[in-house]
Amino acid sequence: DTAVSQTPKYLVTQMGNDKSIKCEQNLGHDTMYWYKQDSKKFLKIMFSYNNKELIINETVPNRFSPKSPDKAHLNLHINSLELGDSAVYFCASSQEWLAGGFGETQYFGPGTRLLVL
Amino acid sequence: GQQLNQSPQSMFIQEGEDVSMNCTSSSIFNTWLWYKQDPGEGPVLLIALYKAGELTSNGRLTAQFGITRKDSFLNISASIPSDVGIYFCAGYSGGGADGLTFGKGTHLIIQP
Repeated sequence: DTAVSQTPKYLVTQMGNDKSIKCEQNLGHDTMYWYKQDSKKFLKIMFSYNNKELIINETVPNRFSPKSPDKAHLNLHINSLELGDSAVYFCASSQEWLAGGFGETQYFGPGTRLLVL
Repeated sequence: GQQLNQSPQSMFIQEGEDVSMNCTSSSIFNTWLWYKQDPGEGPVLLIALYKAGELTSNGRLTAQFGITRKDSFLNISASIPSDVGIYFCAGYSGGGADGLTFGKGTHLIIQP
């Protein structure tokens, strides 16, 4: 069974549209994340969320919003898509906040390749 | 925001050689992380470092948290073809998610 899964794998859409990417983990982890990787492979963490709090990267536009219907899911909603949003978006999970010193292992999903035309 | 300088940008080596890459910054970090990404896949966490001076191994991989807390290195011994990929360092300085900064990656290419 896949530990962290994302849908869709590919997403092609027009500027101005609103879209969502879904993420599910079956590891029983408490913390989930969204990352963005641009065309130059540069990685940036966007959000970290557990059942207690949402940690936001302040550089992420508020057009991006994570929604967690339950502990196993963290979906990413994007409003008014722009050309610069084209990237690969990765979901990930770990038991605790990764950099908190708990020696956590983090698992990534396969990525969603978003292309905004 | 903070910046990490990861070097080298790419490496072309022969199978069996040892590999060394590093990340440096003008800022202090509390945590250093090293990831590997295979083509078309998500990153995989290799090693996490939480204390200045800490030296941690994971198989043929060894990473160290610099004593100044401003740098970290990753060594791979006796490289094999499956080591090919992009290696990323990341430093965490605390606070919110924007406290986690990634390097630009080191592309490792192994010639048989």
